[in-house]
Amino acid sequence: AQKITQTQPGMFVQEKEAVTLDCTYDTSDPSYGLFWYKQPSSGEMIFLIYQGSYDQQNATEGRYSLNFQKARKSANLVISASQLGDSAMYFCAMREALYGGSQGNLIFGKGTKLSVKP
Amino acid sequence: DGGITQSPKYLFRKEGQNVTLSCEQNLNHDAMYWYRQDPGQGLRLIYYSQIVNDFQKGDIAEGYSVSREKKESFPLTVTSAQKNPTAFYLCASSIMAAGDRYNEQFFGPGTRLTVL
Repeated sequence: AQKITQTQPGMFVQEKEAVTLDCTYDTSDPSYGLFWYKQPSSGEMIFLIYQGSYDQQNATEGRYSLNFQKARKSANLVISASQLGDSAMYFCAMREALYGGSQGNLIFGKGTKLSVKP
Repeated sequence: DGGITQSPKYLFRKEGQNVTLSCEQNLNHDAMYWYRQDPGQGLRLIYYSQIVNDFQKGDIAEGYSVSREKKESFPLTVTSAQKNPTAFYLCASSIMAAGDRYNEQFFGPGTRLTVL
């Protein structure tokens, strides 16, 4: 079974509007972290935001926020006021505790390609 | 400036040849990682190393080899045994705090390998 599922292969959003990118995860580890990365066409991976499984509040970083619903095992990324430069691939990733089956390494979803329309 | 460098940016290989991809970091990170990315896909872990002179296989290690003789360097060799090596390869590093769920990985710019 996939540990990280991103069900939207591609998304379009109008410039200046908000967009939500979906991510669901599967783990039996009570201690884990969730990450979102952005990958522009140049290829580098840019860290956007982090949410810990014990964090009480949703993480926010500028125009990025993470809608964390622990019971539903979802960690959706919300981008507010989309800009043309937001067009990129977006990857959700999870890190379980070091003693978990994944040895504490990051597990990535397949990504969502976001296109911002002017 | 601290960061991760990968070279070369583009690499072409003939079938049957081994090639080595370079990854260097000056962030003083203990852990280093190699990922493979195929078009339209996520990242898959090839090898990782949490300490000098030690490394572990990831999910798709067959046909690859690594070494970790220095903290700063983690080269990846794509051997002739790798049946379909054409892909984008990303190196990453992170601190290695035991029990810490937050362990952001910093990525290099990547190497695009094409087999001719």
